[in-house]
Amino acid sequence: QSALTQPASVSGSPGQSITISCTGTSSDVGGYNYVSWYQQHPGKAPKVMIYEVSNRPSGVSDRFSGSKSGNTASLTISGLQAEDEADYYCSSYTSINTYVFGTGTKVSVL
Amino acid sequence: EVQLVESGGGLVKPGGSLRLSCAASGFTFNTYSMNWVRQAPGKGLEWVSSISGSSDYIYYADSMKGRFTISRDNAKNSLFLQMNSLRVEDTAVYYCARYSPAGTTYIDYWGQGTLVTVSS
Repeated sequence: QSALTQPASVSGSPGQSITISCTGTSSDVGGYNYVSWYQQHPGKAPKVMIYEVSNRPSGVSDRFSGSKSGNTASLTISGLQAEDEADYYCSSYTSINTYVFGTGTKVSVL
Repeated sequence: EVQLVESGGGLVKPGGSLRLSCAASGFTFNTYSMNWVRQAPGKGLEWVSSISGSSDYIYYADSMKGRFTISRDNAKNSLFLQMNSLRVEDTAVYYCARYSPAGTTYIDYWGQGTLVTVSS
């Protein structure tokens, strides 16, 4: 049950687009369309931004989008805003009925 | 409104035990699978355990197997985590979290967490 691999940090200027990758294996990310993404601001509980690879919950901005290719999933934030500065975690259901999170990515808005 | 409120955290010595509770409200508790997720200070999220609505299916992360026990009381809308043989590396904020209505595809609600500190 190794954590999914994410870049430690990604940064961009306001208005730009950034993409965060999330790499797993065929036993998790690659094997199921059950990848989700969570945003976490300091001292707060996580909030789901994307579920089942590319679906947005009600109330989440359409600036957030998700995709997957093979064992790698991606979260793209377009039109970057100051409020998007936070930690982001991917996650996936696994072949042994467990759940695994990514290592986390700190997004900075320059 | 869905609410998940954790309690039971605190300071415990290595080798000790602690029982966390989560009071759920605002939804039909017995129809949802639930989770515990933890986050060590300054670190990432780590899934701990999950339990189905009727307690038929229970799963643990490998590092917690044999030491942690998840349970629920549907009559009291409560989720529990019994933690034994605690180690310094178990120090973390523990979140109670609900799986989505669709099942185990994602977590849709989180509590605010309770801090467990394991130290001598």
